[in-house]
Amino acid sequence: AQSVTQLDSHVSVSEGTPVLLRCNYSSSYSPSLFWYVQHPNKGLQLLLKYTSAATLVKGINGFEAEFKKSETSFHLTKPSAHMSDAAEYFCVVRRDDKIIFGKGTRLHILP
Amino acid sequence: GAVVSQHPSRVICKSGTSVKIECRSLDFQATTMFWYRQFPKQSLMLMATSNEGSKATYEQGVEKDKFLINHASLTLSTLTVTSAHPEDSSFYICSARVPSLSTDTQYFGPGTRLTVL
Repeated sequence: AQSVTQLDSHVSVSEGTPVLLRCNYSSSYSPSLFWYVQHPNKGLQLLLKYTSAATLVKGINGFEAEFKKSETSFHLTKPSAHMSDAAEYFCVVRRDDKIIFGKGTRLHILP
Repeated sequence: GAVVSQHPSRVICKSGTSVKIECRSLDFQATTMFWYRQFPKQSLMLMATSNEGSKATYEQGVEKDKFLINHASLTLSTLTVTSAHPEDSSFYICSARVPSLSTDTQYFGPGTRLTVL
């Protein structure tokens, strides 16, 4: 069975400081992993995805994530937070044709 | 990227009535659409997979007679919540898979907030 755990329900960082959103997965085989972002009153948007090509994945808006098999992690990072990054972030694992969402992490950006 | 719309964005209804939510792919044809439900402070849960021209496949624990899904065309899937009750109040999101891209790529609608009084 596959599952995904987002370790923090809320993360607050100051504008201009680094962002780290943590995600651990469990999978019986090499997984496909994704990060989605949901801004208020808007649909989910794909930030980036890992499909075994490269362990460091670069996404949109300066975000990136590193797949670490030894740690079963796929943490999302950004060097410098912007106010527009305030949103809910979901770590996702693919199971066959279906995707399984983590519970989400609300990112707050402090001025 | 591909655009998926949902209508209505918000709906309030009385207990016992039925509510229909539409999911449309605006600039592509989607052979497969997915319906999710999001409870407050919880993750999205896949409810069912909707394939154009065939019956939807429901996830375990989802009542297919209560959540009717119709995927009559390549650009439209509908979810009807029949005899809605307050516990059905939730945020419903649909997504569509672009056939030309990998199975991993889904585009999500903006969601529909259902409140049952």
